[in-house]
Amino acid sequence: AQSVTQLDSHVSVSEGTPVLLRCNYSSSYSPSLFWYVQHPNKGLQLLLKYTSAATLVKGINGFEAEFKKSETSFHLTKPSAHMSDAAEYFCVVSDIQGAQKLVFGQGTRLTINP
Amino acid sequence: GAGVSQTPSNKVTEKGKYVELRCDPISGHTALYWYRQSLGQGPEFLIYFQGTGAADDSGLPNDRFFAVRPEGSVSTLKIQRTERGDSAVYLCASSLVPNTEAFFGQGTRLTVV
Repeated sequence: AQSVTQLDSHVSVSEGTPVLLRCNYSSSYSPSLFWYVQHPNKGLQLLLKYTSAATLVKGINGFEAEFKKSETSFHLTKPSAHMSDAAEYFCVVSDIQGAQKLVFGQGTRLTINP
Repeated sequence: GAGVSQTPSNKVTEKGKYVELRCDPISGHTALYWYRQSLGQGPEFLIYFQGTGAADDSGLPNDRFFAVRPEGSVSTLKIQRTERGDSAVYLCASSLVPNTEAFFGQGTRLTVV
Protein backbone atom coordinates (compact mmCIF):
# COMPACT_ATOMS: atom_id res chain seq x y z
CA ALA A 1 0.00 0.00 0.00
CA GLN A 2 1.15 3.50 -0.70
CA SER A 3 0.92 6.53 1.53
CA VAL A 4 2.09 10.10 1.68
CA THR A 5 2.89 12.22 4.72
CA GLN A 6 3.08 15.96 4.39
CA LEU A 7 5.02 17.03 7.43
CA ASP A 8 3.53 20.51 7.78
CA SER A 9 -0.16 21.36 7.62
CA HIS A 10 0.63 25.06 7.34
CA VAL A 11 3.73 26.95 6.18
CA SER A 12 4.07 30.71 6.32
CA VAL A 13 6.89 32.62 4.61
CA SER A 14 7.61 36.19 3.63
CA GLU A 15 7.45 37.28 0.03
CA GLY A 16 10.84 36.89 -1.62
CA THR A 17 12.10 34.21 0.81
CA PRO A 18 12.57 30.51 0.01
CA VAL A 19 9.74 27.99 0.23
CA LEU A 20 10.13 24.41 1.49
CA LEU A 21 7.16 22.05 1.65
CA ARG A 22 8.09 18.62 2.99
CA CYS A 23 6.76 15.27 1.83
CA ASN A 24 7.65 11.68 2.71
CA TYR A 25 6.17 8.72 0.90
CA SER A 26 5.78 4.99 1.32
CA SER A 27 5.43 2.71 -1.68
CA SER A 28 5.98 -0.95 -2.43
CA TYR A 29 6.89 -0.19 -6.02
CA SER A 30 9.02 2.33 -7.84
CA PRO A 31 6.65 5.24 -7.36
CA SER A 32 5.52 8.08 -9.51
CA LEU A 33 5.38 11.25 -7.41
CA PHE A 34 3.58 14.49 -8.05
CA TRP A 35 2.93 17.87 -6.53
CA TYR A 36 -0.45 19.50 -7.17
CA VAL A 37 -1.56 23.01 -6.22
CA GLN A 38 -5.11 24.04 -5.39
CA HIS A 39 -6.02 27.71 -5.42
CA PRO A 40 -9.35 28.74 -3.87
CA ASN A 41 -12.30 27.97 -6.15
CA LYS A 42 -10.02 26.48 -8.78
CA GLY A 43 -9.28 22.95 -9.88
CA LEU A 44 -6.17 21.04 -8.86
CA GLN A 45 -3.23 21.91 -11.10
CA LEU A 46 -0.17 19.74 -11.66
CA LEU A 47 3.04 21.53 -10.62
CA LEU A 48 5.52 18.78 -11.43
CA LYS A 49 5.99 15.03 -11.53
CA TYR A 50 8.72 12.44 -11.03
CA THR A 51 8.54 9.20 -13.00
CA SER A 52 11.97 7.58 -12.57
CA ALA A 53 13.93 9.89 -14.84
CA ALA A 54 16.04 12.74 -13.38
CA THR A 55 15.77 12.97 -9.60
CA LEU A 56 15.62 16.78 -9.65
CA VAL A 57 12.36 17.77 -11.27
CA LYS A 58 11.53 21.28 -12.41
CA GLY A 59 7.93 22.40 -12.59
CA ILE A 60 5.87 25.43 -13.39
CA ASN A 61 6.12 28.81 -11.66
CA GLY A 62 9.70 28.25 -10.51
CA PHE A 63 8.98 25.23 -8.29
CA GLU A 64 11.17 22.17 -8.18
CA ALA A 65 11.36 18.95 -6.20
CA GLU A 66 14.06 16.39 -5.54
CA PHE A 67 13.38 12.66 -5.31
CA LYS A 68 15.56 11.08 -2.60
CA LYS A 69 15.00 7.35 -2.48
CA SER A 70 17.24 6.82 0.56
CA GLU A 71 15.15 9.29 2.55
CA THR A 72 11.82 8.42 0.86
CA SER A 73 11.29 12.13 0.42
CA PHE A 74 10.04 14.42 -2.34
CA HIS A 75 10.24 17.93 -0.90
CA LEU A 76 8.98 20.91 -2.91
CA THR A 77 11.06 24.09 -3.05
CA LYS A 78 11.07 27.52 -4.62
CA PRO A 79 13.91 30.04 -4.22
CA SER A 80 11.73 33.12 -3.85
CA ALA A 81 8.08 33.16 -2.84
CA HIS A 82 5.52 35.30 -4.62
CA MET A 83 2.17 36.43 -3.26
CA SER A 84 0.43 34.41 -5.97
CA ASP A 85 1.95 31.20 -4.54
CA ALA A 86 -0.48 31.28 -1.63
CA ALA A 87 -2.54 28.09 -2.00
CA GLU A 88 -2.95 24.50 -0.80
CA TYR A 89 -0.27 22.08 -1.99
CA PHE A 90 -0.66 18.31 -2.22
CA CYS A 91 2.05 15.70 -2.49
CA VAL A 92 0.79 12.66 -4.39
CA VAL A 93 2.12 9.14 -4.96
CA SER A 94 1.07 6.55 -7.48
CA ASP A 95 2.34 3.03 -8.05
CA ILE A 96 3.79 2.45 -11.47
CA GLN A 97 1.38 -0.37 -12.17
CA GLY A 98 -1.66 1.79 -11.69
CA ALA A 99 -0.77 5.43 -12.12
CA GLN A 100 -4.41 6.29 -12.42
CA LYS A 101 -5.02 5.77 -8.71
CA LEU A 102 -3.43 8.79 -7.08
CA VAL A 103 -2.87 8.79 -3.32
CA PHE A 104 -2.89 12.33 -1.94
CA GLY A 105 -1.34 13.70 1.21
CA GLN A 106 -3.43 15.83 3.52
CA GLY A 107 -2.10 19.05 2.07
CA THR A 108 0.03 21.98 3.18
CA ARG A 109 -1.47 25.44 3.23
CA LEU A 110 1.13 27.99 2.11
CA THR A 111 0.68 31.56 3.31
CA ILE A 112 2.81 34.39 1.91
CA ASN A 113 3.35 37.44 4.09
CA PRO A 114 3.99 40.79 2.40
CA GLY B 1 -14.64 22.51 -23.82
CA ALA B 2 -11.25 23.68 -22.74
CA GLY B 3 -11.22 21.84 -19.44
CA VAL B 4 -13.06 19.32 -17.30
CA SER B 5 -16.53 20.61 -16.50
CA GLN B 6 -18.53 19.52 -13.46
CA THR B 7 -22.16 20.30 -12.77
CA PRO B 8 -23.65 21.46 -10.57
CA SER B 9 -20.95 23.43 -8.81
CA ASN B 10 -22.95 23.27 -5.59
CA LYS B 11 -25.65 20.87 -4.48
CA VAL B 12 -27.60 20.91 -1.24
CA THR B 13 -29.80 17.92 -0.56
CA GLU B 14 -31.72 16.43 2.31
CA LYS B 15 -30.60 13.31 4.09
CA GLY B 16 -32.00 10.24 2.40
CA LYS B 17 -32.37 11.80 -1.04
CA TYR B 18 -30.77 10.66 -4.29
CA VAL B 19 -28.26 12.86 -6.13
CA GLU B 20 -26.45 12.78 -9.45
CA LEU B 21 -23.22 14.61 -10.14
CA ARG B 22 -22.10 15.14 -13.72
CA CYS B 23 -18.62 15.28 -15.25
CA ASP B 24 -17.76 16.37 -18.79
CA PRO B 25 -14.14 15.39 -19.48
CA ILE B 26 -11.80 17.03 -21.93
CA SER B 27 -12.78 15.99 -25.43
CA GLY B 28 -10.93 12.88 -26.57
CA HIS B 29 -9.76 11.85 -23.11
CA THR B 30 -10.29 8.14 -22.65
CA ALA B 31 -9.57 7.91 -18.92
CA LEU B 32 -11.85 9.49 -16.31
CA TYR B 33 -11.49 9.55 -12.53
CA TRP B 34 -13.68 10.48 -9.59
CA TYR B 35 -12.24 11.63 -6.27
CA ARG B 36 -13.80 12.89 -3.06
CA GLN B 37 -12.28 15.64 -0.91
CA SER B 38 -13.58 16.03 2.61
CA LEU B 39 -12.98 19.25 4.52
CA GLY B 40 -9.33 19.64 5.46
CA GLN B 41 -8.26 16.46 3.69
CA GLY B 42 -6.61 15.52 0.45
CA PRO B 43 -8.71 14.01 -2.32
CA GLU B 44 -9.43 10.28 -2.07
CA PHE B 45 -9.82 8.00 -5.07
CA LEU B 46 -13.31 6.67 -5.79
CA ILE B 47 -13.41 5.14 -9.27
CA TYR B 48 -11.57 5.09 -12.60
CA PHE B 49 -13.02 4.55 -16.07
CA GLN B 50 -11.16 3.51 -19.16
CA GLY B 51 -13.60 4.13 -21.97
CA THR B 52 -17.07 2.98 -20.93
CA GLY B 53 -16.00 0.47 -18.33
CA ALA B 54 -15.05 0.95 -14.70
CA ALA B 55 -11.47 -0.33 -14.59
CA ASP B 56 -11.16 0.17 -10.85
CA ASP B 57 -14.01 0.96 -8.44
CA SER B 58 -12.17 -0.03 -5.28
CA GLY B 59 -12.52 3.44 -3.78
CA LEU B 60 -16.31 3.56 -3.71
CA PRO B 61 -17.16 3.59 0.00
CA ASN B 62 -20.30 1.42 -0.16
CA ASP B 63 -23.09 0.27 -2.46
CA ARG B 64 -24.92 3.59 -2.18
CA PHE B 65 -22.35 5.00 -4.59
CA PHE B 66 -22.41 4.16 -8.28
CA ALA B 67 -20.93 5.74 -11.39
CA VAL B 68 -21.53 5.29 -15.10
CA ARG B 69 -19.95 6.42 -18.34
CA PRO B 70 -22.23 4.88 -20.98
CA GLU B 71 -20.70 6.42 -24.10
CA GLY B 72 -17.13 6.79 -22.93
CA SER B 73 -17.36 10.53 -22.47
CA VAL B 74 -19.68 12.11 -19.88
CA SER B 75 -19.80 10.39 -16.50
CA THR B 76 -22.39 10.55 -13.75
CA LEU B 77 -21.71 9.77 -10.10
CA LYS B 78 -24.87 8.63 -8.37
CA ILE B 79 -25.41 8.57 -4.62
CA GLN B 80 -28.48 6.91 -3.13
CA ARG B 81 -29.94 7.54 0.34
CA THR B 82 -27.50 10.34 1.03
CA GLU B 83 -26.05 10.71 4.51
CA ARG B 84 -24.55 13.76 6.20
CA GLY B 85 -21.16 12.07 6.00
CA ASP B 86 -21.36 12.19 2.22
CA SER B 87 -20.90 15.96 2.36
CA ALA B 88 -17.68 16.77 0.50
CA VAL B 89 -16.31 18.15 -2.73
CA TYR B 90 -16.51 15.58 -5.49
CA LEU B 91 -13.74 16.00 -8.05
CA CYS B 92 -13.57 14.63 -11.55
CA ALA B 93 -10.44 14.36 -13.64
CA SER B 94 -9.60 13.08 -17.10
CA SER B 95 -6.49 12.13 -19.01
CA LEU B 96 -5.79 11.40 -22.65
CA VAL B 97 -4.81 7.84 -21.86
CA PRO B 98 -4.00 6.14 -18.54
CA ASN B 99 -0.69 6.98 -16.93
CA THR B 100 -0.62 10.48 -18.39
CA GLU B 101 -1.32 13.79 -16.69
CA ALA B 102 -4.78 14.03 -15.19
CA PHE B 103 -6.65 17.34 -15.47
CA PHE B 104 -9.08 18.12 -12.67
CA GLY B 105 -12.38 19.95 -12.74
CA GLN B 106 -13.36 22.49 -10.09
CA GLY B 107 -15.54 19.99 -8.31
CA THR B 108 -19.10 19.74 -7.05
CA ARG B 109 -19.61 20.73 -3.43
CA LEU B 110 -22.26 18.41 -2.01
CA THR B 111 -23.91 19.32 1.27
CA VAL B 112 -26.31 16.88 2.89
CA VAL B 113 -28.54 18.49 5.51
